[in-house]
Amino acid sequence: SQTIHQWPATLVQPVGSPLSLECTVEGTSNPNLYWYRQAAGRGLQLLFYSVGIGQISSEVPQNLSASRPQDRQFILSSKKLLLSDSGFYLCAWVDFRANYGYTFGSGTRLTVV
Amino acid sequence: RKEVEQDPGPFNVPEGATVAFNCTYSNSASQSFFWYRQDCRKEPKLLMSVYSSGNEDGRFTAQLNRASQYISLLIRDSKLSDSATYLCVVRNAGNMLTFGGGTRLMVKP
Repeated sequence: SQTIHQWPATLVQPVGSPLSLECTVEGTSNPNLYWYRQAAGRGLQLLFYSVGIGQISSEVPQNLSASRPQDRQFILSSKKLLLSDSGFYLCAWVDFRANYGYTFGSGTRLTVV
Repeated sequence: RKEVEQDPGPFNVPEGATVAFNCTYSNSASQSFFWYRQDCRKEPKLLMSVYSSGNEDGRFTAQLNRASQYISLLIRDSKLSDSATYLCVVRNAGNMLTFGGGTRLMVKP
């Protein structure tokens, strides 16, 4: 069956430290993958999406980058975190079982201190 | 103007009440429509797709008016467990979903 995994669930990082969040999908091939961020009390902001290995589209220029080293792996990174990077980070994939809507991973709650 | 607009609420209703949420979208070429539910500090989950003819899933009824670019969600006989944020979502070309800001529902005993 198709599943999506994200880790870690929570993360507390100091300002200026690096970040790496990983998302993997199982049971499907060549999925479209997405990274979203949700600031506290706010809506979903699309950060990056990828339609295939090595293909990354950035929606919002900022302190983050994304990579897709393998078909079912999507990584969100930062070299130096800012306080404003705090938020709930969600990975999603296009799920044909959901009428081609998105199925989200369980998310990573990042607090930059 | 936001591409998908929703009243942020909160809607405070007693158990058993009927509540309706509305949503408007700006892109007339939008192809698919959804309602997602997001519980506090959790990921959004698909509640239901929205079809042109209107569709029902238990206590939930969704309707779409393409001419007015308007989507609605009706919840009958509200339960405490219905308390959540409801996101109106449209899909445009290229499998890109656009999310509304969400409408918060609080069902009180």
